[in-house]
Amino acid sequence: EIVLTQSPGTLSLSPGERATLSCRASQSVTSSYLAWYQQKPGQAPRLLIYAASSRATGIPDRFSGSGSGTDFTLTISRLEPEDFAVYYCQQYGSSPLTFGGGTKVEIK
Amino acid sequence: QVQLQESGPGLVKPSETLSLTCTVSGDSISSHNWSWIRQPAGKGLEWIGRIYTSGSTNYNPSLKSRVTMSVDTSKNQLSLKLSSVTAADTAMYYCARGSGWLPDWGQGTLVTVSS
Repeated sequence: EIVLTQSPGTLSLSPGERATLSCRASQSVTSSYLAWYQQKPGQAPRLLIYAASSRATGIPDRFSGSGSGTDFTLTISRLEPEDFAVYYCQQYGSSPLTFGGGTKVEIK
Repeated sequence: QVQLQESGPGLVKPSETLSLTCTVSGDSISSHNWSWIRQPAGKGLEWIGRIYTSGSTNYNPSLKSRVTMSVDTSKNQLSLKLSSVTAADTAMYYCARGSGWLPDWGQGTLVTVSS
């Protein structure tokens, strides 16, 4: 099973700032099959990024993903008030599918 | 756009079987693969398993001995059964479209295991 470790656990930033979230895999993720989700309190996760760097339908271009192998990054170029949430990475290159523990982006 | 709605008992007794349904609207259930995911309160996401358009399934080894997933194409519904539940199975349960990345999710249904 591939273990995904997200860091930091919490990121305290102000609106307008840049957010950089990390996701490290315990072994190489096949074909960069890595996705990122945003989850707000009381809501289901929302897909942001798939295949490491492809934005899902309707996702603003301030969200970008990068990386390969074992190291992946989600970048939010300029935080909007609605971006404060928990973010999860997920690998789907091998079974079982696994999720990282999440990074909470909070208002500083 | 496809919409998913989970339903089922909110309270299940220990050792019994949890049974959930996910009703899909806006698209044919036969056109996609589907997954179930759960999330204990305040914690992270755990993938339970997936069912392909062929009907074949793939379960998380941690739950494999207790999980059954199926599809009812006549009702456009998915089902999840988890047997011999314990308090550790208390969680929000989500169904989602896809077997890899998951673009569409239901709102989730909370299941509590308690006597």
